[in-house]
Amino acid sequence: KQEVTQIPAALSVPEGENLVLNCSFTDSAIYNLQWFRQDPGKGLTSLLLIQSSQREQTSGRLNASLDKSSGRSTLYIAASQPGDSATYLCAVEIKAAGNKLTFGGGTRVLVKP
Amino acid sequence: ETGVTQTPRHLVMGMTNKKSLKCEQHLGHNAMYWYKQSAKKPLELMFVYNFKEQTENNSVPSRFSPECPNSSHLFLHLHTLQPEDSALYLCASSRNPGGETQYFGPGTRLLVL
Repeated sequence: KQEVTQIPAALSVPEGENLVLNCSFTDSAIYNLQWFRQDPGKGLTSLLLIQSSQREQTSGRLNASLDKSSGRSTLYIAASQPGDSATYLCAVEIKAAGNKLTFGGGTRVLVKP
Repeated sequence: ETGVTQTPRHLVMGMTNKKSLKCEQHLGHNAMYWYKQSAKKPLELMFVYNFKEQTENNSVPSRFSPECPNSSHLFLHLHTLQPEDSALYLCASSRNPGGETQYFGPGTRLLVL
């Protein structure tokens, strides 16, 4: 059974510092890995999707890497801003019928002005 | 605004009530999903529908009954729920199941008394 872990569970940084969020998964037979952002009491917003054949994806200040063999992904957010405060979730899609995402518990980020 | 809407946004119900959650997507997607997000637990997939057909039931109790009348609408019918069913229920859609970004609605915050 696929398990996804995110460490740390919470992170607080001063504005301008780079953020590094970690995600690990137990079964490397994934189809893709996705990073989401969730603001309090709201739904999820997709940030980046990395296919299993890719090593990284970039969007603006966000960069996500994927190392399938070691079962790890890292989300980097450069020059953090207070507006980056949210919970960040990673999810892996397993190689099975249907689009079944297994989520980690999330990292709650606070960027202090 | 992700193109996925959910109603109601908040719901309080007793254990003997019957209620329904509604999800609508305006993205022309073919796959729709129900997720449950409880406090202190990772997001859990409940059901997957592809072209109106249920393709995944993640061992969900029968007191939750999904309905997908067409590719744009998804319902979750609730009856005789338990207090531990209190959670944020999220709907999502994707163009097709398998390897594609999922777009989430804002969720329905459910409280069972």
